Amino acid sequence: KQEVTQIPAALSVPEGENLVLNCSFTDSAIYNLQWFRQDPGKGLTSLLLIQSSQREQTSGRLNASLDKSSGRSTLYIAASQPGDSATYLCAVRPGYGGSQGNLIFGKGTKLSVKP
Amino acid sequence: NAGVTQTPKFQVLKTGQSMTLQCAQDMNHEYMSWYRQDPGMGLRLIHYSVGAGITDQGEVPNGYNVSRSTTEDFPLRLLSAAPSQTSVYFCATRGSYSNQPQHFGDGTRLSIL
Repeated sequence: KQEVTQIPAALSVPEGENLVLNCSFTDSAIYNLQWFRQDPGKGLTSLLLIQSSQREQTSGRLNASLDKSSGRSTLYIAASQPGDSATYLCAVRPGYGGSQGNLIFGKGTKLSVKP
Repeated sequence: NAGVTQTPKFQVLKTGQSMTLQCAQDMNHEYMSWYRQDPGMGLRLIHYSVGAGITDQGEVPNGYNVSRSTTEDFPLRLLSAAPSQTSVYFCATRGSYSNQPQHFGDGTRLSIL
């Protein structure tokens, strides 16, 4: 059974710092991996999607990498800002099974960027 | 462009009551699904649909029913609400190709007393 783990569960950094959020998964048979942002009391906003054949994706100050063979992904945030404060969720889409169109989520990393 | 619309945003029910959570999308996506989000548990799949007329169970389907009569709508029904169903419910959609991301609604916050 696919399991997704995110470490750390919470992270507090000063504004301007570069930071890395980690995601690991137990089964390398995935279609893709998606990073989301969730603000308190809100829904999920998709940040980046990496296909299983890709190594990384970039959007602005965000860079996500994928090492499928080792079951790891990282989300790199450059020059963090207080507006980046949110919970970041990692999810994989399994490449097998009846519900293969859907996602398996980690429990998230709660990021706080202090001015 | 509304994307994925969930109604209501908040609801309080008494144990044993039934209700329907609505989800509508205007992206013409075939895949739709329902998740629940609980503290310490993350998001878990309840039911999903790969197209109109086709539904299937996810990880935690007990106590919930779904139907998919149109591409646009995917309602989630609580048959007899229980306090354990207190949660935040999210509807999500995705296009048919593997390179397409999932899009989520803003959620329905449900409390069962």
